[in-house]
Amino acid sequence: DAMVIQNPRYQVTQFGKPVTLSCSQTLNHNVMYWYQQKSSQAPKLLFHYYDKDFNNEADTPDNFQSRRPNTSFCFLDIRSPGLGDAAMYLCATSRDQGASLIYEQYFGPGTRLTVT
Amino acid sequence: QKEVEQNSGPLSVPEGAIASLNCTYSDRGSQSFFWYRQYSGKSPELIMSIYSNGDKEDGRFTAQLNKASQYVSLLIRDSQPSDSATYLCAVIRTGGGNKLVFGAGTILRVKS
Repeated sequence: DAMVIQNPRYQVTQFGKPVTLSCSQTLNHNVMYWYQQKSSQAPKLLFHYYDKDFNNEADTPDNFQSRRPNTSFCFLDIRSPGLGDAAMYLCATSRDQGASLIYEQYFGPGTRLTVT
Repeated sequence: QKEVEQNSGPLSVPEGAIASLNCTYSDRGSQSFFWYRQYSGKSPELIMSIYSNGDKEDGRFTAQLNKASQYVSLLIRDSQPSDSATYLCAVIRTGGGNKLVFGAGTILRVKS
């Protein structure tokens, strides 16, 4: 089945120790997104890739970076995690069909990040 | 004013009843609307998308859209305990690429 896969599902890191989360997809979607979701809050968009073009949200801290080496894979790097970065990190994908209004986004299972 | 507003709930309904979830949005130009279901500790799951005024039915789910009133709703018929979850309303932000704006979600509890 076509899907969005995230690894690892659970990640524990130390304060200030860099961490990388990964996302892969078999949907062949051209747009990939990273969201941060804290308890009882809506998902918050950090950035997205439209094909190879990177689009950062204005309020995303510099501590968060992303890489997309090819269509299928996307990585989220947190350079110096703080306690406030503990959250669920969600990867999502969509297919931009040009003039179409259909922009359904499909989420992976998420990575739960704990910072100690 | 928030871009997408939902009543946080919890909304409690008995098993077998109709659950009605509501959402309003502020961007009059929005054209694409979605409902996601999120179980505790899990990721959002797309359950309905709607693009035109009126009703769209899929199994026990019906999405309703009224662009003039900037209102989207989700009806769940014959509610089951397994429907207990947080339901997120999401709207594509116009003029900003394919960006979803989420409401804070409504917690639904179906009591058996």
